[in-house]
Amino acid sequence: GDSVTQMEGPVTLSEEAFLTINCTYTATGYPSLFWYVQYPGEGLQLLLKATKADDKGSNKGFEATYRKETTSFHLEKGSVQVSDSAVYFCALSDFGNEKLTFGTGTRLTIIP
Amino acid sequence: GAVVSQHPSWVICKSGTSVKIECRSLDFQATTMFWYRQFPKQSLMLMATSNEGSKATYEQGVEKDKFLINHASLTLSTLTVTSAHPEDSSFYICSARDRNTGTGKYNEQFFGPGTRLTVL
Repeated sequence: GDSVTQMEGPVTLSEEAFLTINCTYTATGYPSLFWYVQYPGEGLQLLLKATKADDKGSNKGFEATYRKETTSFHLEKGSVQVSDSAVYFCALSDFGNEKLTFGTGTRLTIIP
Repeated sequence: GAVVSQHPSWVICKSGTSVKIECRSLDFQATTMFWYRQFPKQSLMLMATSNEGSKATYEQGVEKDKFLINHASLTLSTLTVTSAHPEDSSFYICSARDRNTGTGKYNEQFFGPGTRLTVL
């Protein structure tokens, strides 16, 4: 079945540091890939998505590229801010299947 | 826009009692809602898919008589944990899919803030 393996946290970085959160997946079809973010006390929000190989999703300075050859969708940001502190979830949805399969989440803390 | 609320945000109950959790889409109509369960330091596990006006579809291993789901309107779905036991203690999250958005193979889901259930 489908699965998502995500870099374990927690991750603590200083403000303006470079961020990478690794995500790899296993899927039987051609999935769409997502990153969700959960800020304290709030629900999950879609951060970015990519629907086919080599697509790059981007939002709020975050980027992730759909790499079919390595089955990966790593999240990156060049310069993190304190406001980026949250839990980040990688997820996939197979074509024609609206169900989401999530990774375990990575808690990110940015210190000033 | 696209706000989903859950009520209550946390609940403590005695073993053997039933607990109802509400999930509401506040500013859009949701033909489909999803219920997830999250254990500490683990990913969200889909429990069931709830379609307005029809029976919910449960994932393998989820007891439908234990976790009753009702989706009576386009803005409300409820999850009732019947005869709750301590092993049912968890974080329950719902999401809703806006019927009016999305083309192609995926329509975005909007998530509620979750409900923390503790069964004593």
